[in-house]
Amino acid sequence: EVQLVESGGGLVQPGGSLRLSCAASEFTFSSHAMSWVRQAPGKGLEWVSGISGSGSSTYYADSVKGRITISRDNSKNTLYLQMNSLRAEDTAVYYCARLHRGGDWNSIDYWGQGTLVTVSS
Amino acid sequence: DIQMTQSPSSLSASVGDRVTITCRASQGISNYLAWFQQKPGKAPKSLIYAASSLQSGVPSKFSGSGSGTDFTLTISSLQPEDFATYYCQQYYSYPFTFGPGTKVGIK
Repeated sequence: EVQLVESGGGLVQPGGSLRLSCAASEFTFSSHAMSWVRQAPGKGLEWVSGISGSGSSTYYADSVKGRITISRDNSKNTLYLQMNSLRAEDTAVYYCARLHRGGDWNSIDYWGQGTLVTVSS
Repeated sequence: DIQMTQSPSSLSASVGDRVTITCRASQGISNYLAWFQQKPGKAPKSLIYAASSLQSGVPSKFSGSGSGTDFTLTISSLQPEDFATYYCQQYYSYPFTFGPGTKVGIK
């Protein structure tokens, strides 16, 4: 069974930084593009960032561009999200998601359980 | 960026009802459209990809259709476990974008 386990969330002050991790198992990690999706309290889903299977291509939502960096370590089967200059509006549950095997333009098939990031002083 | 809209934003239905949710893209996205189900406090669950293909393990009471800009999700006979919020998402171009969601409640 595919497993995606996020970690690294927590309380951080405005302007601070946080790095999220997503440990993947039970599939060939490098064969799948990955994404981060977030959900602010009581709001809908917002796609945040994506990365190709090799890690050579990355994609970002306008709302986070320049502040957030997605990366992956295929030797460790782990996806990362480095978040800098955090704002109150970044407060959300962050989900790691796997895309269908193949290219970067695929749909999500599996989701992690999410990790909560709270930006507050 | 491609904007996604959904209608209705919420609906009330009874067990056994047939329910249809509509999703519209601001430009043509071929069939690069997915549907997700989310229950309160839980991670989303993938239902449909490529507009009409069921994810593995998803019951056949769920079906999707459409191409271009207009899409629908249909639940043929609503069951208690289907009361949830449903989201569409385009993956035709980055940034991928979600619709605002449709909450399906109990009448």
